[in-house]
Amino acid sequence: KNEVEQSPQNLTAQEGEFITINCSYSVGISALHWLQQHPGGGIVSLFMLSSGKKKHGRLIATINIQEKHSSLHITASHPRDSAVYICAVKGTSQFYFGTGTSLTVIP
Amino acid sequence: KAGVTQTPRYLIKTRGQQVTLSCSPISGHRSVSWYQQTPGQGLQFLFEYFSETQRNKGNFPGRFSGRQFSNSRSEMNVSTLELGDSALYLCASSLMPTGTATSYEQYFGPGTRLTVT
Repeated sequence: KNEVEQSPQNLTAQEGEFITINCSYSVGISALHWLQQHPGGGIVSLFMLSSGKKKHGRLIATINIQEKHSSLHITASHPRDSAVYICAVKGTSQFYFGTGTSLTVIP
Repeated sequence: KAGVTQTPRYLIKTRGQQVTLSCSPISGHRSVSWYQQTPGQGLQFLFEYFSETQRNKGNFPGRFSGRQFSNSRSEMNVSTLELGDSALYLCASSLMPTGTATSYEQYFGPGTRLTVT
């Protein structure tokens, strides 16, 4: 059983489209993280959320603690957004990770 | 401020050997976590260190161990390497460890890609 489920696994979008990636989790958490990983391996933390909503530029992340669900939205997608997006949650003693969503944005 | 550094970046070892990987956190960060990433299992948590003490450990065999030094630098060691240990090993640092009531931003290093032949 996976503690963190992400959907979709793969996503192809045209430049300019609005994109949503979903994350559901089953453990109690102190925070949820959205990570971005480009080819080559480097991981960047995009958001850390414990409630509500955060916005950085074209990226928006929301979390519903009661429903144990989070979404990552990308507005006006761009080819440079092409990457793997990973949802991670911190449980009582360790981090759990989703399998990632591979996003390709076509010009 | 310099980011998280990991050495070496690439490593090739033979089955049965042991390996030590190093991680230097961002200056002022006192917590270091280690992760393994493979195509089949994705990202998995290995351990978290704070003040030279292991705070949490993931579901890995005892062949995987680590330590943290007084300057917050951390090393992880894998003994008796197996083919399945081939992976990208990532470390991340944060100001403080993540507790049940608080969470701190994690900053990832570039990783060490280990190949076991």
